[in-house]
Amino acid sequence: DTGVSQDPRHKITKRGQNVTFRCDPISEHNRLYWYRQTLGQGPEFLTYFQNEAQLEKSRLLSDRFSAERPKGSFSTLEIQRTEQGDSAMYLCASSLASGPATNEKLFFGSGTQLSVL
Amino acid sequence: KQEVTQIPAALSVPEGENLVLNCSFTDSAIYNLQWFRQDPGKGLTSLLLIQSSQREQTSGRLNASLDKSSGRSTLYIAASQPGDSATYLCAVLAPSGSARQLTFGSGTQLTVLP
Repeated sequence: DTGVSQDPRHKITKRGQNVTFRCDPISEHNRLYWYRQTLGQGPEFLTYFQNEAQLEKSRLLSDRFSAERPKGSFSTLEIQRTEQGDSAMYLCASSLASGPATNEKLFFGSGTQLSVL
Repeated sequence: KQEVTQIPAALSVPEGENLVLNCSFTDSAIYNLQWFRQDPGKGLTSLLLIQSSQREQTSGRLNASLDKSSGRSTLYIAASQPGDSATYLCAVLAPSGSARQLTFGSGTQLTVLP
């Protein structure tokens, strides 16, 4: 499978617990994005990396959220002290930004569905 | 701040009909526009990408147009099939500070009745 992989597909946790999601982008893609999607809404931008550098973070990303991409390959998104409002689909996308911005195409994974009880 | 709106929010058509989904965006300074398909509980599948300098793109029964100056795009689906039932999302890639950001609409939920 050469697409974007996300693990786990589903996560159920109790309020106050910490959770960590993993994303493996398409090989050689230098950009990696995290999005969050709630029911009936489009995905909302959380953060993105160019190689290992985290270049932008949304105001949606509170202090309880942290993302890393230590070697410029896979990325992790951790949520500490989860709240019921964190329940959502967390989507990862990757792209190869090597030419004009007009050519940049994002490829999405299947997402991790988080349910906080 | 870029805002993307999709109309209608939901659409139900009989099999075989041609249909149009609409997308509008508030800031015309975009790099490109993508249409995605999302099945329930699944990730996003890219359908078409239109660069800012292009007017339309076609793939099979799908045709997407872009009028950047007016901030509008349409996705035309010909001869719809039950397998086309899904949520269709449009998204614009635009400058955001020193970086780029893909901003999505809320989607159009399409049901094609056999």
